This record gives sequence, structure tokens and C-alpha cells, in this order.
Amino acid sequence: DTEVTQTPKHLVMGMTNKKSLKCEQHMGHRAMYWYKQKAKKPPELMFVYSYEKLSINESVPSRFSPECPNSSLLNLHLHALQPEDSALYLCASSWDSGNEQFFGPGTRLTVL
Amino acid sequence: GESVGLHLPTLSVQEGDNSIINCAYSNSASDYFIWYKQESGKGPQFIIDIRSNMDKRQGQRVTVLLNKTVKHLSLQIAATQPGDSAVYFCAENNAGGTSYGKLTFGQGTILTVHP
Repeated sequence: DTEVTQTPKHLVMGMTNKKSLKCEQHMGHRAMYWYKQKAKKPPELMFVYSYEKLSINESVPSRFSPECPNSSLLNLHLHALQPEDSALYLCASSWDSGNEQFFGPGTRLTVL
Repeated sequence: GESVGLHLPTLSVQEGDNSIINCAYSNSASDYFIWYKQESGKGPQFIIDIRSNMDKRQGQRVTVLLNKTVKHLSLQIAATQPGDSAVYFCAENNAGGTSYGKLTFGQGTILTVHP
């Protein structure tokens, strides 16, 4: 298995909802990442997990809460989001933090 | 070419031509660089990478050149095909300290290949 999978592909939520984005990889990678990408912009790093520990948090608001249950899974819990949080959320993984990152297809999130 | 903070540049070429996409980076401490291709509605796809101890690396139809003196990176695509049409991003990995693993992307270049 040489891919990163993300679910759901699309998500529409209200500002009071709680939802979660899921990411999975079975390549044995020990680093996993969450990125946010707005239209016509590059991906922006949100969080880095290395060996299941949070190593980088790019000053992301607390309404985004990452979780790494094991080395293959990465979740992003969403609560009380704002319409400006609407974006493509990308998950990536790599052997370790200094190697090429492989991206999933993303979850297109719309906050109403 | 692309540079962090500027508007998205575009490059239009004819099928069969060679394409060159440029990228300027700002962090002289970066020691690892990657080129990604992103098609509409998809996640970025790894194309080729290069470490700072090299100045050239070749893949299948692609070559990356690194000039550390002027902090410039380029991606050359030989015999460009319509399937190469996409947005191309360069990315730098800031090594060392608490930023290890942080991948910073350039603004991207839109490549359009005309049949």
C-alpha cells in the first residue's frame, strides 16, 4: 500500500458542529502532517507528528485539535469552526521529518 | 518564476516543448527541496527532490537544478505533454532545531500545455 487515504472527501458543517477528519497510511511512515490549502494558494502546515508525538503546531487555533492514535492514523477534530476555515485539508506522511512527504487527496471542508 | 509572497505566475507551452519552472527560496538554512505537481481537485504529487549537497538531479523527463549561491531552484520538464498541465510547487524543508520537518511551499506556477 503506497498511498495516503483521507475521509471524508467532502464535508459540510455548521459553526456549532463537531466533526473529525481522518487520515491513514500503511507505508510504515513515522511522521504525519496536516496542511490547510485555500483556493489558488499553496498548502500551509498546521501540525507535524513524529513518532506519534506532536512536534510542530503552527499556532493553529484550538478549534482544530489533532490526534495520532497510532503510527498509521491521524485525526483532526473540528469544533466551533468559522466560515473562513473552509478549505482543502491535506494529510501527508513521510519516513521521518526530513524526507519527501506523500500527500492524500484531501478533504474539502465547507463551514456554513 | 515563483517566489514566496508574489502572485501566481503562469507558463504556457506547446506540447513537445521543454518547460522550465523557477523558484526562489529565502532560507539559507534549508537543506532539502522538493517539487510537487498538483492537479485540480487532487493532493500534491511528489515529482523530484534534491538535497543541498547536490546541484543537479535527474528523474524521468524531469531535472531539478539547485543554485545555493543565489538561492534558486528550477524544474525542467522535457518534451512537455498535456498531462503535465497542473500547478507546480517548490517546497523547502527547514532543517535544524524545532523547525525540522516543516515544509514551506512557494506560491506555485500554473503550467498549461497546449496540444
